[in-house]
Amino acid sequence: GQNIDQPTEMTATEGAIVQINCTYQTSGFNGLFWYQQHAGEAPTFLSYNVLDGLEEKGRFSSFLSRSKGYSYLLLKELQMKDSASYLCAVRDPFPYGQGGKLIFGQGTELSVKP
Amino acid sequence: KAGVTQTPRYLIKTRGQQVTLSCSPISGHRSVSWYQQTPGQGLQFLFEYFSETQRNKGNFPGRFSGRQFSNSRSEMNVSTLELGDSALYLCASRQTGTSDEQYFGPGTRLTVT
Repeated sequence: GQNIDQPTEMTATEGAIVQINCTYQTSGFNGLFWYQQHAGEAPTFLSYNVLDGLEEKGRFSSFLSRSKGYSYLLLKELQMKDSASYLCAVRDPFPYGQGGKLIFGQGTELSVKP
Repeated sequence: KAGVTQTPRYLIKTRGQQVTLSCSPISGHRSVSWYQQTPGQGLQFLFEYFSETQRNKGNFPGRFSGRQFSNSRSEMNVSTLELGDSALYLCASRQTGTSDEQYFGPGTRLTVT
């Protein structure tokens, strides 16, 4: 089966650091994505991990451990505009190795407070 | 470069009707995927098209269908609409072979009454 778990909601303070966890159990794996989605808008790409380790991109970092089926998104120096839903998604490698099918978690609603 | 566009942005239909949604990918992108987003189920994969061929399909009934044209534009059709089909329908395009990033369009908000 396909199962991706993320916390439903998180709250953090402006200027702080927050870590959003994602665990997955999927029949296949070909990369893990993080997307940000503001209310009423389309998801926007944040990061992609296919190998174990940390990928850093400005205030955002993403970590992957394939053996543990675990990833996290780290947001530093939080700003009010970071209030949004954060979606973890695993790329399904079947039936083609480079297929575009993404399996999404339910998303984590992050609220940044002053 | 223009982003992914979807038309219409909002649509209200009655149960039993059918609907066609359109997606124009980013220029040069040959892969188009469709997703349904609802508060209860989140984002769920409908299907992916590449070079006018459906290469993958999600777990949706046969009332949901799609196609892709030679210019990579894609349409999805839902026949015999049900109340549960009310959702945000998102399409995403991808430049296969060079990038794994999928770019999402703004979506079509479908309401079935």
